[in-house]
Amino acid sequence: DTGVSQDPRHKITKRGQNVTFRCDPISEHNRLYWYRQTLGQGPEFLTYFQNEAQLEKSRLLSDRFSAERPKGSFSTLEIQRTEQGDSAMYLCASSFRGQGTHEQFFGPGTRLTVL
Amino acid sequence: AQTVTQSQPEMSVQEAETVTLSCTYDTSESDYYLFWYKQPPSRQMILVIRQEAYKQQNATENRFSVNFQKAAKSFSLKISDSQLGDAAMYFCAYRSANQFYFGTGTSLTVIP
Repeated sequence: DTGVSQDPRHKITKRGQNVTFRCDPISEHNRLYWYRQTLGQGPEFLTYFQNEAQLEKSRLLSDRFSAERPKGSFSTLEIQRTEQGDSAMYLCASSFRGQGTHEQFFGPGTRLTVL
Repeated sequence: AQTVTQSQPEMSVQEAETVTLSCTYDTSESDYYLFWYKQPPSRQMILVIRQEAYKQQNATENRFSVNFQKAAKSFSLKISDSQLGDAAMYFCAYRSANQFYFGTGTSLTVIP
């Protein structure tokens, strides 16, 4: 499968714990995006990378959230000291700069439940 | 600030009929892109159709077409000959610079 993959697909954690999610983009894509989607809402932009550089961060991304893309390939999103309000679907998407429209291809998401 | 508004939380259509989903957006920019994404239940989001703001011609992809009214900042999606597989959440999205903005979605039910 050559699509965007995310791991894990589901994560249940207790409040206060740290969690880390991984995203593997489509191999030739140099842009990678993270979104958060809560029930009944559209995806909310969190951050994006071009290669290994983190170019944009939303104000939604509090200090407890950190994202990396160390080699310009896969990316990780870490949430420290999780809170119940962090419960959501975390979506990753990738695109190739140069396509013009920057069409994004989405992964299946990681559903986080914080108890 | 850029915002995307989908005023129809739910819509239904009879199989083989036509349905139009509404989307409006707010922007002060002249160069941007608009998208409609489909998110089936428990499945990942896929692109349905896209429109470049600088193009006057409305985009069409098979049974899907848009009505892009730049001055009115309106971007509706028309689905013709609706099929059961069209049932999903539909999100309107706007791309500007380094960010994407999504609407809250419209849940489409297709009635057999």
